[in-house]
Amino acid sequence: AQSVTQPDIHITVSEGASLELRCNYSYGATPYLFWYVQSPGQGLQLLLKYFSGDTLVQGIKGFEAEFKRSQSSFNLRKPSVHWSDAAEYFCAVAPSGGGGADGLTFGKGTHLIIQP
Amino acid sequence: EAGVAQSPRYKIIEKRQSVAFWCNPISGHATLYWYQQILGQGPKLLIQFQNNGVVDDSQLPKDRFSAERLKGVDSTLKIQPAKLEDSAVYLCASSPYATNTGELFFGEGSRLTVL
Repeated sequence: AQSVTQPDIHITVSEGASLELRCNYSYGATPYLFWYVQSPGQGLQLLLKYFSGDTLVQGIKGFEAEFKRSQSSFNLRKPSVHWSDAAEYFCAVAPSGGGGADGLTFGKGTHLIIQP
Repeated sequence: EAGVAQSPRYKIIEKRQSVAFWCNPISGHATLYWYQQILGQGPKLLIQFQNNGVVDDSQLPKDRFSAERLKGVDSTLKIQPAKLEDSAVYLCASSPYATNTGELFFGEGSRLTVL
């Protein structure tokens, strides 16, 4: 069965500093990979996704992520964080190929705290 | 465009009671998902509908949970009888596609507390 590991439960970053959130997955084949953000009182929002091709993907709000097959990782990065980036971040996977049962499997999340 | 609507936003019940959550997806969205998010964990898929048919309910505790999607639009998730461990936020999500592209649109969730 597929699984997603986010090793950092909490991360604290100073405003303006760079950010990297880690994600590792376990799956039989290369799955579809996603990052979602959940702000307090709001629904989950898709930041970016990887299906195939270029391993560096760009998302909304200045985020990017890099897929590394050899490390089964899909880490999220941002060069300079803003106070509004404080939220819960979830990495997720879904079966590639499409069709049928293809719901997302989420990691446990990383809580991002921004220091002024 | 209206988002995914869920109700009620909050519900407190005692164990062994029943509860129902309602979801109205974005108009025209073919696929609907229910997720359970326990405090401190990521969302866990309970059931996936495509139109009004069930695609995947392998993680739905069928002895107490049931869900339906009437006419391929609104959906209801029911818990009967509730247990303490059912305390969680129940998230509904919809997608315009039959195939998962990751572009799921989530509602704000229904928070259940079982006492």
